[in-house]
Amino acid sequence: ETGVTQTPRHLVMGMTNKKSLKCEQHLGHNAMYWYKQSAKKPLELMFVYNFKEQTENNSVPSRFSPECPNSSHLFLHLHTLQPEDSALYLCASSQDGTGDQPQHFGDGTRLSIL
Amino acid sequence: GQNIDQPTEMTATEGAIVQINCTYQTSGFNGLFWYQQHAGEAPTFLSYNVLDGLEEKGRFSSFLSRSKGYSYLLLKELQMKDSASYLCAVSLDRGSTLGRLYFGRGTQLTVWP
Repeated sequence: ETGVTQTPRHLVMGMTNKKSLKCEQHLGHNAMYWYKQSAKKPLELMFVYNFKEQTENNSVPSRFSPECPNSSHLFLHLHTLQPEDSALYLCASSQDGTGDQPQHFGDGTRLSIL
Repeated sequence: GQNIDQPTEMTATEGAIVQINCTYQTSGFNGLFWYQQHAGEAPTFLSYNVLDGLEEKGRFSSFLSRSKGYSYLLLKELQMKDSASYLCAVSLDRGSTLGRLYFGRGTQLTVWP
């Protein structure tokens, strides 16, 4: 039990599909994050939400659209993705966004684009 | 840009000691995290160093030298279950990058019986 739950665990979609990834944290944290993890590459930060406000958009293409309706839930809406977007997408949360508290990660969604 | 370096792969035998190094060159520094990630699972927090020196936590210890931009994770009495990827991550302390974590590529450790 990691305290951070991501669904679905696996997703296969075509380039013209629209889908959403969901993340929920049960830790009472105020900051939530989306990361992309590709083979042989470092974890890449995509988006940061602190107290439900987006504080970081790390030059992510507009085909990825985050949504944070409350401090416990985070979504990543996907549309017209490219094959290079195939990766593991990890959600994380931390007490706040100051960087001196550990981030707690979910198990990720393995995304494959056909 | 930010640069975090760690070896790609390491191997060791059960019961041995292994040291995984991490060097960093970043614009600012708040602290350094180590995470463990088993294949197909979430990264899990191992340690956090802010000040120079050694932090010991059971079989795992982490060392930091801020002046040298260097850290290591020391794993003692290795067990098969320690086979995993170990991620080094630096937290920055200033401006628009406050709180951001920059990760290394991870070190894949394989423990042999």
